[in-house]
Amino acid sequence: QVQLRESGPGLVKPSETLSLTCTVSGGSINSYFWTWIRQPPEKGLEWIGYISYSGSTNYNPSLKSRVTISTDTSKNQFSLRLSSVTAADTAVYYCARDPIAASGHLDGLDVWGQGTTVTVSS
Amino acid sequence: DIQMTQSPSSLSASVGDRVTITCRASQSISGSLNWYQQKPGKAPKLLIHAVLSLQSGVPSRFSGSGSGTDFTLTISSLQPEDFAAYYCQQSYSTPLTFGGGTKLEIK
Repeated sequence: QVQLRESGPGLVKPSETLSLTCTVSGGSINSYFWTWIRQPPEKGLEWIGYISYSGSTNYNPSLKSRVTISTDTSKNQFSLRLSSVTAADTAVYYCARDPIAASGHLDGLDVWGQGTTVTVSS
Repeated sequence: DIQMTQSPSSLSASVGDRVTITCRASQSISGSLNWYQQKPGKAPKLLIHAVLSLQSGVPSRFSGSGSGTDFTLTISSLQPEDFAAYYCQQSYSTPLTFGGGTKLEIK
């Protein structure tokens, strides 16, 4: 079955750029919507954005000026870049798969990576 | 943005109890409502999508209902492995948003 795995530095300095990669195994990235979500310590879940199978992107307006999500189809990977990070960006970052429901809206996030902790600190 | 309000934020219950968690959207989201379970240190797990469709492999003691703005997750008979945090999420429009979560604890 499809599995996702996040990778990237666990420590990023303030004002620098956070870069994470999600590797998709057991299935193709050339379908579905591919999503990043984060969870600050002891807090709830925040949707960061997605990239679709066609390459279109959609970002949370609260982060839009700092976020880029891209794909590398040759490696079956998608990536997150978050610039100008501060301590408020410290969180567990998850990648996930989002199918399209019969309604045409996005459906539930049905496959998740295990998450990777990113700490922003000097 | 569509705001998702979950209640209660925490809940103590016993094995065998019937439990209901509610989620209210700030505007109609039609049938685009999903429920997740999260255990400590783990990624969320999709339990129910599109209000009432049980994800493959999820026990039938979990059920969902609702429409428009008001939704519920019901666990018919709590099992020890059900003690966890639960989140609702709307997938009707971006930005996708989650409820604040309900922490289900053992009484």
